[in-house]
Amino acid sequence: QVQLQESGPRLVKPSETLSLTCAVSGVSVNNTYHWGWIRQPPGKGLEWIANVKYTGYINYNPSLKSRVTVSLDTSMNQFSLKLTSVDAADTAVYYCARDRGGATSDIWGQGTLVTVSS
Amino acid sequence: QSALTQPVSVSGSPGQSITISCIGTSDDVGGYDYVSWYQQHSGKAPKVMIYDVSYRPSGISDRFSGSKSGNTASLTISGLQAEDEADYYCGSYRNSPASHVVFGGGTKVTVL
Repeated sequence: QVQLQESGPRLVKPSETLSLTCAVSGVSVNNTYHWGWIRQPPGKGLEWIANVKYTGYINYNPSLKSRVTVSLDTSMNQFSLKLTSVDAADTAVYYCARDRGGATSDIWGQGTLVTVSS
Repeated sequence: QSALTQPVSVSGSPGQSITISCIGTSDDVGGYDYVSWYQQHSGKAPKVMIYDVSYRPSGISDRFSGSKSGNTASLTISGLQAEDEADYYCGSYRNSPASHVVFGGGTKVTVL
């Protein structure tokens, strides 16, 4: 059974960097899938952030690309997100997910709320 | 403003059928057969109900069906049940200016 679990600081100060990790169990991240991040501001809709494949190929949301870094750690079977220069608009529930291609995220983590506030 | 346009809300009585639309452009919905639909209950992670326009993942009821015509994708829920009350989001692959995914703003489905 494939499971994903997000972890990282729940509170980040404005202008600092948000960092999250997604631990994957039940499947190796070193396979044909992409591994991605999606966020959802409180009471609002979904926003796709980026995904990464073991080959190192990364797809980005063009509107966030300048602030986003995603990476894969095959030794720990996890992947990570860094979002720089955050402000209140970056407050959201952040989900990690397995992307099977196209627009399909078929397995999701439970999500973690990250609040940007001083 | 979301990249794809969905109605804010749709409602129906138990047993009825409802359809949710998702309007995009030729750069996303109309250009590729990569449209997915997600169901999200309050406080939970989204769950894929339809992928690649019309395919159902294993375990998803055949009451859920998807289709596409031009730049508009649709999700139909037949035999509406109380458990179907949730938010529904469409997502589509877009390859302009680079490969990424765009979502609709979401539709609240209410079972009367």
